[in-house]
Amino acid sequence: GENVEQHPSTLSVQEGDSAVIKCTYSDSASNYFPWYKQELGKRPQLIIDIRSNVGEKKDQRIAVTLNKTAKHFSLHITETQPEDSAVYFCAANRIKAAGNKLTFGGGTRVLVKP
Amino acid sequence: DSGVTQTPKHLITATGQRVTLRCSPRSGDLSVYWYQQSLDQGLQFLIQYYNGEERAKGNILERFSAQQFPDLHSELNLSSLELGDSALYFCASSDLNTIYFGEGSWLTVV
Repeated sequence: GENVEQHPSTLSVQEGDSAVIKCTYSDSASNYFPWYKQELGKRPQLIIDIRSNVGEKKDQRIAVTLNKTAKHFSLHITETQPEDSAVYFCAANRIKAAGNKLTFGGGTRVLVKP
Repeated sequence: DSGVTQTPKHLITATGQRVTLRCSPRSGDLSVYWYQQSLDQGLQFLIQYYNGEERAKGNILERFSAQQFPDLHSELNLSSLELGDSALYFCASSDLNTIYFGEGSWLTVV
């Protein structure tokens, strides 16, 4: 099955700096890569996703890049703000009609220091 | 609001007891998933159902079982509870692409 590794496990950045989280996956057939943000005690929420036919996707201060050859994808947060402090999870899977089975990375705890 | 409803939100029970967690997926979603998240841990996949049938199984203990009913709601049954079962249990549902999580059920075993 799919295996997703995520680094770093913790990341501390100064407000206004950029944060980068990297994930690698093992199944070359995976074609859907979402990122979730989870605040303390809350549910994970989808913040951005990318499909394998796209190399990069942006949404305001967040962007995701995908390198299918190397089987890795990254989340970039620019101009970080204190409200970006949370745990971020990457995931990978093959989209199929019977529903997904997302495999999650281990998570990255991001702390944005004012 | 993701549209995925979980009950109860909080539950405290004693070791050895049995509890049932309930989940109603988003309208129209056929897939339901259960995840376990212990304190400061990642999301551990337990089990997936699609339109009433079990689709995938993760690291789900034999003491745990789940089912999805014809109306697509799902229940996760946890029995012979141990202290280590204390965790946040998430239900999620999906369309063809995206998985949406419910607010979770906090289980504390004392």
